[in-house]
Amino acid sequence: AQKVTQAQTEISVVEKEDVTLDCVYETRDTTYYLFWYKQPPSGELVFLIRRNSFDEQNEISGRYSWNFQKSTSSFNFTITASQVVDSAVYFCALSEVNTGNQFYFGTGTSLTVIP
Amino acid sequence: DTGVSQDPRHKITKRGQNVTFRCDPISEHNRLYWYRQTLGQGPEFLTYFQNEAQLEKSRLLSDRFSAERPKGSFSTLEIQRTEQGDSAMYLCASSRDRTYEQYFGPGTRLTVT
Repeated sequence: AQKVTQAQTEISVVEKEDVTLDCVYETRDTTYYLFWYKQPPSGELVFLIRRNSFDEQNEISGRYSWNFQKSTSSFNFTITASQVVDSAVYFCALSEVNTGNQFYFGTGTSLTVIP
Repeated sequence: DTGVSQDPRHKITKRGQNVTFRCDPISEHNRLYWYRQTLGQGPEFLTYFQNEAQLEKSRLLSDRFSAERPKGSFSTLEIQRTEQGDSAMYLCASSRDRTYEQYFGPGTRLTVT
């Protein structure tokens, strides 16, 4: 079973629009970590954020914000006032503390920001 | 630059040949991971090391694959008797601890002809 689901395969927005990337996860662990990574066309995965299962506070970093809701098992990522440089594939990932050491990645959402 | 480095960046080989990739993690990181990524997919876990010990291997890691991390520093991933299905990007990542984020290298793109 897929532990991390990113239902949006591709999204296109016009520059300066806001866009939200969805991530739904599945786990039986009570302690886990969620991550978002960006993979630009150059290919290297870039870490964006880490959130533990006990901290449901939303986080904002510049134009990026994250909404973590345990009730719906979601960890969504919003880019405000999108820019062309935001064009990339974005991956959500899950790490379960008690049941393994690997990261489970979603299939990614390809975001294209049109100038 | 103190990030994760991988060598080579690209490798083209003929089916049946052996290939070896190298990963140099961030120096203070104890954990080192190998992933495989194919087009349109997220990275898939292959194996992981805690220092020099290989503690977990995915079922994706067939007996043609072997990984080492001598002395807990750099790691190598060898694929023997390559098959066309092995064509993928092989990613290495390192982290301080299981609860911390993993930092990824640029990857080695393998093409098996």
